[in-house]
Amino acid sequence: GAVVSQHPSWVICKSGTSVKIECRSLDFQATTMFWYRQFPKQSLMLMATSNEGSKATYEQGVEKDKFLINHASLTLSTLTVTSAHPEDSSFYICSARDPFQVYNEQFFGPGTRLTVL
Amino acid sequence: KQEVTQIPAALSVPEGENLVLNCSFTDSAIYNLQWFRQDPGKGLTSLLLIQSSQREQTSGRLNASLDKSSGRSTLYIAASQPGDSATYLCAVSQGGSEKLVFGKGTKLTVNP
Repeated sequence: GAVVSQHPSWVICKSGTSVKIECRSLDFQATTMFWYRQFPKQSLMLMATSNEGSKATYEQGVEKDKFLINHASLTLSTLTVTSAHPEDSSFYICSARDPFQVYNEQFFGPGTRLTVL
Repeated sequence: KQEVTQIPAALSVPEGENLVLNCSFTDSAIYNLQWFRQDPGKGLTSLLLIQSSQREQTSGRLNASLDKSSGRSTLYIAASQPGDSATYLCAVSQGGSEKLVFGKGTKLTVNP
């Protein structure tokens, strides 16, 4: 099956700093990638939809200036958490859609645990 | 607005037992429904995907059913094993949209 990787798998940073998370589709080209956030014992919440070569579409309530998304190639999307604060600590998961797979199936990365001190 | 509910929130069973996890959704106009498995601190592994026109899908010991008109899906796990212990998530996508709406999951513990 399609493989999606994320880097780093975990990161600890100081409040006020910025953190970049990478999401890569390893064996297919993903025209669309998705970024989710998961708080403890909660479901995954979609933050934004990232389309290659165009601006990301953010869900209601997600600050686009705080969560910068770049989808510069068909295999890479990045999420930058700017001026991170403790409340941004969460599990961030990306997914990618293989356009050659039927039924709009999304393949998920292993996630990135962000802890802001 | 689509809402997905999973019952129970947690389930503990002895090894070898057959079990059913439940998922319900409020808007029946879905494109497909997926069941995922999530191990602690890990990403999601897709288990089964059911198209809106399908009634069920099977993979090994797993069987997922879909009743779109009533807004329900079940995941049946046969002969459960300790390795099945994980959180199982249900997610639906709406027609014309790629967005997935997730339930909070059912945490399954299979005791040896």
